[in-house]
Amino acid sequence: DVKVTQSSRYLVKRTGEKVFLECVQDMDHENMFWYRQDPGLGLRLIYFSYDVKMKEKGDIPEGYSVSREKKERFSLILESASTNQTSMYLCASRPGGVGNEQFFGPGTRLTVL
Amino acid sequence: EDKVVQSPLSLVVHEGDTVTLNCSYEVTNFRSLLWYKQEKKAPTFLFMLTSSGIEKKSGRLSSILDKKELFSILNITATQTGDSAVYLCAVAGGTSYGKLTFGQGTILTVHP
Repeated sequence: DVKVTQSSRYLVKRTGEKVFLECVQDMDHENMFWYRQDPGLGLRLIYFSYDVKMKEKGDIPEGYSVSREKKERFSLILESASTNQTSMYLCASRPGGVGNEQFFGPGTRLTVL
Repeated sequence: EDKVVQSPLSLVVHEGDTVTLNCSYEVTNFRSLLWYKQEKKAPTFLFMLTSSGIEKKSGRLSSILDKKELFSILNITATQTGDSAVYLCAVAGGTSYGKLTFGQGTILTVHP
């Protein structure tokens, strides 16, 4: 079974703090993704990575950065957390090639006070 | 800009009812449409559809894609309380690496 794990299920931070969300997958997948999920808006793509050290902006990259130093690990960084970044953050991974679904981690619910 | 719209946004039914969830899309270079079920945890994969008119079925769930009219439906027959969840529709398109565009989700509540 594919396993995607995220470092925390719940996180509370203060405005202005630097926040790291970690995601690890154990199936040697090339592609990894970070989404945020908000009520009524569905999942929105923040960033994704198709290889080590490679990244592309998604639909809402502002206020976020990412790092992929190893194939199995994809980190989402909030340089200076703000209250509007309070959300559920979901990581996903996917093998390369056409016709493959994404596998999701359990999510991190981040609250920024 | 790629767009996926689901309807209804929420639905309340009783056990035994049949429900139909809708998903329409506007995506460049369509590759596939996916349905996920999300309870209070990670979304879990249900179906991937790539060809028009071919129904995919898993137990009481089935789904079909219409690439001409740009929509898909997810049917659940004889609903059970365990079907209560958010159902997510997503479309893979464009030229990126399996990038998905998600709809808003349909919240299904099944009462006993």
